Amino acid sequence: KAGVTQTPRYLIKTRGQQVTLSCSPISGHRSVSWYQQTPGQGLQFLFEYFSETQRNKGNFPGRFSGRQFSNSRSEMNVSTLELGDSALYLCASSPLTGVDNYGYTFGSGTRLTVV
Amino acid sequence: AQTVTQSQPEMSVQEAETVTLSCTYDTSESDYYLFWYKQPPSRQMILVIRQEAYKQQNATENRFSVNFQKAAKSFSLKISDSQLGDAAMYFCAYANSGYALNFGKGTSLLVTP
Repeated sequence: KAGVTQTPRYLIKTRGQQVTLSCSPISGHRSVSWYQQTPGQGLQFLFEYFSETQRNKGNFPGRFSGRQFSNSRSEMNVSTLELGDSALYLCASSPLTGVDNYGYTFGSGTRLTVV
Repeated sequence: AQTVTQSQPEMSVQEAETVTLSCTYDTSESDYYLFWYKQPPSRQMILVIRQEAYKQQNATENRFSVNFQKAAKSFSLKISDSQLGDAAMYFCAYANSGYALNFGKGTSLLVTP
């Protein structure tokens, strides 16, 4: 069974540009969550999508957005990149929304560097 | 807001020995879930063990076990018979049902031969 797949693995962007990251969940999983990991702030929740609807949102500016497609694949977009957006972006999938009885399975992340 | 505290930034253990990683959390909820995740250099977060707050029995997964003290809001991870492959960052995480994971800052575990 394939795991959670995130593409690309590495990305370098210039300040002011925008970027789109992709996440393909485990087959059959309908929930996709995104987390930002930085040395200073640690792991922070961005948002969760379930059945194409955003269910939860963390405390991030509107430059961070996402969406989920009918096949449960999700994309995360960051517009007007800032140096502080440099981070590892992790995607996690779950069969159902919320943590409940299943927990989350994570991908290997996309390392975004903003220069 | 719920907070998760891991007071040990780094820990070291010899192969085959036992090590305990500490985690405390703050919440006013009675129903919640606690997790330990491992993040090796490959960056993927791997679920090590999970505990439902309503269960009094401590969770166990092979060499990994937890000491869940609900009243003290403590959730420590014990790794027995440590192996070189256990070296990684370990994150403690808390979640209410239906909500996102709140992570601690992590503990870096070094395993020496």
